[in-house]
Amino acid sequence: QQQVKQSPQSLIVQKGGISIINCAYENTAFDYFPWYQQFPGKGPALLIAIRPDVSEKKEGRFTISFNKSAKQFSLHIMDSQPGDSATYFCAAALDSWGKLQFGAGTQVVVTP
Amino acid sequence: GAVVSQHPSRVICKSGTSVKIECRSLDFQATTMFWYRQFPKQSLMLMATSNEGSKATYEQGVEKDKFLINHASLTLSTLTVTSAHPEDSSFYICSASTGAGYNEQFFGPGTRLTVL
Repeated sequence: QQQVKQSPQSLIVQKGGISIINCAYENTAFDYFPWYQQFPGKGPALLIAIRPDVSEKKEGRFTISFNKSAKQFSLHIMDSQPGDSATYFCAAALDSWGKLQFGAGTQVVVTP
Repeated sequence: GAVVSQHPSRVICKSGTSVKIECRSLDFQATTMFWYRQFPKQSLMLMATSNEGSKATYEQGVEKDKFLINHASLTLSTLTVTSAHPEDSSFYICSASTGAGYNEQFFGPGTRLTVL
């Protein structure tokens, strides 16, 4: 039973464009929503995270939008660069140090 | 940020042998460590949660006698894959957290296990 659903599965965007990845969750007790970036053969690295008391968080070119009533959150990558080509995972947890429920992942390819 | 290391980075073994993977938090004390398995082009699947000094908690469907986890100190957790078989070939990733406050989890670089 997948607690976090992620879409799309893959995404191709031109350099300078915007990448948008969406996630939906079921458990309203989730209190921590991170996004991870993973390159092939490497462990995931935290990009940005949000808690449900805010609707948006921005760090550089990365923005999380959070809709608590819809139980959805999304990652926007502005001005996408070829170096952003990676797999992105959303996740949810009851707290920041607890068990993470991962989405299925989105492979993003940024073309030059 | 905090650093988590894994050793070895890749290992190839024969079917039936046991393999030990180490996960270390290098600059912080990790009261909780998690072990994940990731198959090619798939998401991370949590295998177990380990707290220092206590028995690991395994996720449903994970054989605890096959995947032995020991969290012997605040900086080291080990995963031993016993009697490994080709279907155990996967990418194993650990993460560590301080277990309190608003601290994030820190992931290791992963260990690629290939069982021949």
